[in-house]
Amino acid sequence: DGGITQSPKYLFRKEGQNVTLSCEQNLNHDAMYWYRQDPGQGLRLIYYSQIVNDFQKGDIAEGYSVSREKKESFPLTVTSAQKNPTAFYLCASSTLGQIEAFFGQGTRLTVV
Amino acid sequence: SQKIEQNSEALNIQEGKTATLTCNYTNYSPAYLQWYRQDPGRGPVFLLLIRENEKEKRKERLKVTFDTTLKQSLFHITASQPADSATYLCALPANFGNEKLTFGTGTRLTIIP
Repeated sequence: DGGITQSPKYLFRKEGQNVTLSCEQNLNHDAMYWYRQDPGQGLRLIYYSQIVNDFQKGDIAEGYSVSREKKESFPLTVTSAQKNPTAFYLCASSTLGQIEAFFGQGTRLTVV
Repeated sequence: SQKIEQNSEALNIQEGKTATLTCNYTNYSPAYLQWYRQDPGRGPVFLLLIRENEKEKRKERLKVTFDTTLKQSLFHITASQPADSATYLCALPANFGNEKLTFGTGTRLTIIP
């Protein structure tokens, strides 16, 4: 089955720790995206990548980092510099032009 | 960059009636506009795309209109069913010629049996 997989579904982080969220797709899409969703705020773009070994900051990149070493993988690291990391994180992929975005099931990150 | 407003945070509709959701944008007219459905705790799922030169698009019980003069898209669900209850998001390119999507905050639709 083609699709986009995020793991884990739930993640708990202690303050001061870095955590990495996984995103893998087997749709052969060039573009991949990370969004953050908070209640009442819609989806906000963190980072996106249109080609391997290249990525751009979105609207709220501070405190996050990404890598794109393989076409099918786009992991997101939430660093200790992110002041309010508790949120629902969504990964998406698309063909270039983002005519239709395919989303993963999301990772809910909670700081404890 | 674009700012998107979806008409209301929540909408309750009686089963069998038509639900109409609104998406307004503020700046340039985008080349296309998309609608997604999101269920609680899950990622959004693409429903429909309408291009700037299309006035209306249909898919089964769904209909989308796009009025570039009003800077507005309407999303209709006819013969609504309780299974249509979800949050519906509109999305369009963040900037002219930009491939990034910007999303509205969504409208939470509840179909009452």
